[in-house]
Order: sequence, then structure tokens, then C-alpha cells
Amino acid sequence: AQTVTQSQPEMSVQEAETVTLSCTYDTSENNYYLFWYKQPPSRQMILVIRQEAYKQQNATENRFSVNFQKAAKSFSLKISDSQLGDTAMYFCAFMKRQGGKLIFGQGTELSVKP
Amino acid sequence: EAQVTQNPRYLITVTGKKLTVTCSQNMNHEYMSWYRQDPGLGLRQIYYSMNVEVTDKGDVPEGYKVSRKEKRNFPLILESPSPNQTSLYFCASSFKGVGDSPLHFGNGTRLTVT
Repeated sequence: AQTVTQSQPEMSVQEAETVTLSCTYDTSENNYYLFWYKQPPSRQMILVIRQEAYKQQNATENRFSVNFQKAAKSFSLKISDSQLGDTAMYFCAFMKRQGGKLIFGQGTELSVKP
Repeated sequence: EAQVTQNPRYLITVTGKKLTVTCSQNMNHEYMSWYRQDPGLGLRQIYYSMNVEVTDKGDVPEGYKVSRKEKRNFPLILESPSPNQTSLYFCASSFKGVGDSPLHFGNGTRLTVT
């Protein structure tokens, strides 16, 4: 069975600085997808970034980038130039390539301080 | 507007009183799924459906039922709710239910069972 672990329940960062959120996962699959979702206080779930396991290149979306280490089964999220609007709960998630089951980590609550 | 609509947003009920949380999407998506969110546990998948009349268990299906009689609707049924089902519930849909098909989430239903 697949598992996803986020070992940092809470983190904080000063506005304009960079922060990295950690995520590790366990799977015997070779083809899968990894995701980071953001949940602001409004509780809406928003996709931040997606990584396909067969792609070596790390995904980036504006200020958000990932460090995908397939052999280490690690998928960290880097937020550059942090903004107050980045304050949210962040969830890492895993899905096998053929789809269906989506497995989330426990979440990391990020606070961006002015 | 493309959206996933969950109702109700808030629900307080008593142990044993059957209830249904509705979920509807207007994007002609094949894949729909239900999650519950609990502090420290992240989101856990309850059931998912890859298409009409096809449903599969997620990680925490006990105490829940679903049906997928038509493409747009995927109701979550609690036949005999118990206090341990107090949680925040999310419905989500995507075109195909695979990793390259973005998930669209509803706004959540906060359920309290007393």
C-alpha cells in the first residue's frame, strides 16, 4: 500500500523569503503522479503543482517548484518570495498512473509573517 | 461556471439518523470521489467512481455508501451516522481520474454527529 508522510505539522516564514515543505512517500509503483495542494482558510482545495514520476525534470509553477527525488521517494515543495496569501495548509498527494485512488499526507500548516 | 457543488455546507445531526450529502458536477467528468478531512490525518479517500455505475472503495469506506447512477451526481450516504464520522467532507471530480486530469473540489461539508 502507498503512504505519504509530511513530517512538518507547522512551519512559518517571513514574507519575501523562501521556504521548503517536505514530503516523502512509499510505493512499489514505477509510474505515478505527485501533487501539492493548497488549502487556504476558505477551505477550498487548490492544485499548486503536479509532477509525473517518469519525468526527470522538476516541475515549476511561477514561485512554486519541487525537488523530486525518485530514488529517495522525496517530493519537497519550495515557495520562493513568500507572500501573505501563501498562508495555508499544504497537502502532498500521490496517485498511481492508472488513476483512481488518491492518497494525501497529513498536511503542513504554513504561516507567512509580515 | 464549471463547478462541483456540495450540499449542505454545514450539517448537524444525531447518531443513527440517516443522511445524504449531495455532490454534483457540471463538467461532464467521468471521475468523482469523496474524502474526509480530519486534523493531523489530512484527507482520506472514502470512495471513488471512475464512471457511471462503477464505484470502488478508498481507504476509509466503512460506514459510508455511494451511488453513481448518472454522470453528474455522486451522493455520499451515511446510513447510521456515528460521532466518529464528524468531519469535513469533500467531493471532487476530474475528466478521467488519472494524474494528468486536474481534480476539481467542492467547497466542503462540515458534518457534526452528536
